[in-house]
Amino acid sequence: SYELTQSLSVSVALGQTARITCGGNNIGSKNVHWYQQRPGQAPVLVIHRDTNRPSGIPERFSGSNSGNTATLTISRAQAGDEADYYCQVWDSSSAVVFGGGTKLTVL
Amino acid sequence: QLQLQESGPGLVKPSETLSLTCTVSVGSISSTNYNWGWIRQPPGKGLEWIGSIYYSGSTNYNPSLKRRVTISVDTSKNQFSLNLRSVTAADTAVYYCASEAIVAATFFDYWGQGTLVTVSS
Repeated sequence: SYELTQSLSVSVALGQTARITCGGNNIGSKNVHWYQQRPGQAPVLVIHRDTNRPSGIPERFSGSNSGNTATLTISRAQAGDEADYYCQVWDSSSAVVFGGGTKLTVL
Repeated sequence: QLQLQESGPGLVKPSETLSLTCTVSVGSISSTNYNWGWIRQPPGKGLEWIGSIYYSGSTNYNPSLKRRVTISVDTSKNQFSLNLRSVTAADTAVYYCASEAIVAATFFDYWGQGTLVTVSS
């Protein structure tokens, strides 16, 4: 089965850039999607198909995907960006797969 | 913009069947652009996909849960449902329903608010 690996936690200073990674075997060949989940709330899609932002998601959120790593980048981090972030792909052997999630702390 | 809402018992006894329904209140469950999915999240843990269904009834399940899961759809009510059999405490989780966009890629663009289901006697 296909697996996605995320760091448990990432910290970023207020106003700086946070990078959250998602590792998987040849993940660059797959479409990667990212979700933000604030405490007590349902997940929200912030990036789909590697680089695309749904309407209403700030331009500060961007994504990239190459080789064995996909990255969610949050520029000019704000206190409201504190949340858990999950990557997700579809794989022919496992269907829908989520990463374990990364907790973003804004200092 | 799609709207989804989960409903069902918040407490289920061990060995019994967990049953939840998701109502799509805005939008049509018969859309050809979507599957309809169930995802769960145990307390303090990450997201786990349970399975998805197309309006025609075609299903896809997480291999780790497949032998205990049935997802069904009722297009006349704009609803889809989850049955999880033989539950244990490990099935205690917040259960989400979501719309699964399937054009060009597979991702979940709209989510219900989630419902906590506790398995306990």
